[in-house]
Amino acid sequence: DAGVTQSPTHLIKTRGQHVTLRCSPISGHKSVSWYQQVLGQGPQFIFQYYEKEERGRGNFPDRFSARQFPNYSSELNVNALLLGDSALYLCASSLAPTGDGYTFGSGTRLTVV
Amino acid sequence: GENVEQHPSTLSVQEGDSAVIKCTYSDSASNYFPWYKQELGKRPQLIIDIRSNVGEKKDQRIAVTLNKTAKHFSLHITETQPEDSAVYFCAASMGGSARQLTFGSGTQLTVLP
Repeated sequence: DAGVTQSPTHLIKTRGQHVTLRCSPISGHKSVSWYQQVLGQGPQFIFQYYEKEERGRGNFPDRFSARQFPNYSSELNVNALLLGDSALYLCASSLAPTGDGYTFGSGTRLTVV
Repeated sequence: GENVEQHPSTLSVQEGDSAVIKCTYSDSASNYFPWYKQELGKRPQLIIDIRSNVGEKKDQRIAVTLNKTAKHFSLHITETQPEDSAVYFCAASMGGSARQLTFGSGTQLTVLP
């Protein structure tokens, strides 16, 4: 049984560029959340989606956007990349939006140069 | 919004000793408190969680205690082993229509053989 899968695993982008990160939840999980983890810190909540609708948004600028598809997979988009966007981006899935026991994917390591 | 503080930031113990990590939270509406273990370069993994209607929960060598009045919760690991070495994160979440975790800043636990 596959866990939460994220792609790509690593990415290097230039300031000002755009990036799209992808996440496939555990089979049967309908809720997907995105977190940003800067080196040496705890993950910070960006978005939660359930049944293709945004259920929560963290304190991130409008350059960050996301969506969820009918198969419950999700994309995180970041426009106009800044050096400070360099981080590990984690996707987590759960059965329901208020479900306990989030399962995290291994993340996408984004480096902005 | 919620704020979670975690102490200590680093902790070294001898193999077989106990380790205790403490967290405080700010929002009395928080009702769910998970703990995650993150090994270097890997995804955070849920090790134990507790809801606000319970004061203590145990799972083999791991236990979590919650004091709602004081708004703090702690992770206790007994009979530590070298494979317990990792970064541990506490988190807090309120109820409602979404599950948004606010994480502490992490504790680097090193178990010395």
